[in-house]
Amino acid sequence: GAVVSQHPSWVICKSGTSVKIECRSLDFQATTMFWYRQFPKQSLMLMATSNEGSKATYEQGVEKDKFLINHASLTLSTLTVTSAHPEDSSFYICSASSGMIKNEQFFGPGTRLTVL
Amino acid sequence: AQSVTQLGSHVSVSEGALVLLRCNYSSSVPPYLFWYVQYPNQGLQLLLKYTTGATLVKGINGFEAEFKKSETSFHLTKPSAHMSDAAEYFCAVSEDYIPTFGRGTSLIVHP
Repeated sequence: GAVVSQHPSWVICKSGTSVKIECRSLDFQATTMFWYRQFPKQSLMLMATSNEGSKATYEQGVEKDKFLINHASLTLSTLTVTSAHPEDSSFYICSASSGMIKNEQFFGPGTRLTVL
Repeated sequence: AQSVTQLGSHVSVSEGALVLLRCNYSSSVPPYLFWYVQYPNQGLQLLLKYTTGATLVKGINGFEAEFKKSETSFHLTKPSAHMSDAAEYFCAVSEDYIPTFGRGTSLIVHP
């Protein structure tokens, strides 16, 4: 149980275009979802926390208009990178929490974004 | 505020040798502690976690960790390394629902 999927697993896009990444909890209802960014050989950086039906809470330094997060249902959250540029290239990982087991998150497999 | 320090960005061991990955944390309240493993181009997989109770925690793949409050440590060990253990390992501490991750330790296993 507690499986989280991400789609796509990798994406290549041209500079200036927008890219949407989906994060789904497959067998549980995720009251809270998290979006992380990971640069090569580095740790995870929390970008934002989203609760179903409400606006996401962004970490300091993360551009809200650049990284649009929508958590429309208890099983789906999306991250849209708007007007992507090469510096947005990274590995994006989502995680989800059901709230049933405090502090435990279940991680998706990640999405590799490359902006040309 | 919470923070995590992982000593050593790389740890190299021979197959069959003891694995020891160090993690120290700071937390203003009793923490929840986690170890995750990440294989290349994949997400994080939970190895084990400490919440309350027994301070020696056993996880998957033969790993275990001991919570030592007096030392504010949560080191990860495995008695005998296997080639398949080569990966990136992250220690994390959480006071609420949002964990703080260490910088990660790359485990290298030599045949």
